[in-house]
Amino acid sequence: GENVEQHPSTLSVQEGDSAVIKCTYSDSASNYFPWYKQELGKRPQLIIDIRSNVGEKKDQRIAVTLNKTAKHFSLHITETQPEDSAVYFCAASRSGGYNKLIFGAGTRLAVHP
Amino acid sequence: DADVTQTPRNRITKTGKRIMLECSQTKGHDRMYWYRQDPGLGLRLIYYSFDVKDINKGEISDGYSVSRQAQAKFSLSLESAIPNQTALYFCATSDTSGGFYNEQFFGPGTRLTVL
Repeated sequence: GENVEQHPSTLSVQEGDSAVIKCTYSDSASNYFPWYKQELGKRPQLIIDIRSNVGEKKDQRIAVTLNKTAKHFSLHITETQPEDSAVYFCAASRSGGYNKLIFGAGTRLAVHP
Repeated sequence: DADVTQTPRNRITKTGKRIMLECSQTKGHDRMYWYRQDPGLGLRLIYYSFDVKDINKGEISDGYSVSRQAQAKFSLSLESAIPNQTALYFCATSDTSGGFYNEQFFGPGTRLTVL
């Protein structure tokens, strides 16, 4: 079945360093790839997404890259800050019809001052 | 602000009991979803509904049922709760504007404990 693998499961960085989280997906028809951030005790919220017609998208300190040939996509956070500490989830979906999100298992990011 | 709400926020119940989790939204979205979150397993889809007359099973629907009472309301039932259904449950919504897959908005979650 459809599957999304996410690595690493935990990531610890020093404030100001960069963080990279990687995901691979199994369904070659997937063409929408969102990233959600879940702070402790809060609901997941979308932080950035990418569609298969682009290879990279940036929004201030965060960026996502997509390699459709290899079926993987990554989240890059630069100049990390303590408020970036959270669990990050990647997901993949087809568009149209009964599309639905398949989530990765999550990465717990800790940014130490 | 338009929002997604869930009731109850916390519930402790006993094995074998029937329990219902409710989700309401004021976003005017047509699509609604129920997810379960377990540590290390991410968010897994239980059921989803694309309109009032449309209900679909997700990847882990066994032991659960749903009802879409209105466009704004989507409830999840555990007919006979068991301990391994202890988890954090999220409702989410999305719309179909733009003709492409759109952002899902999550409710605050319901923490369910089955003893």
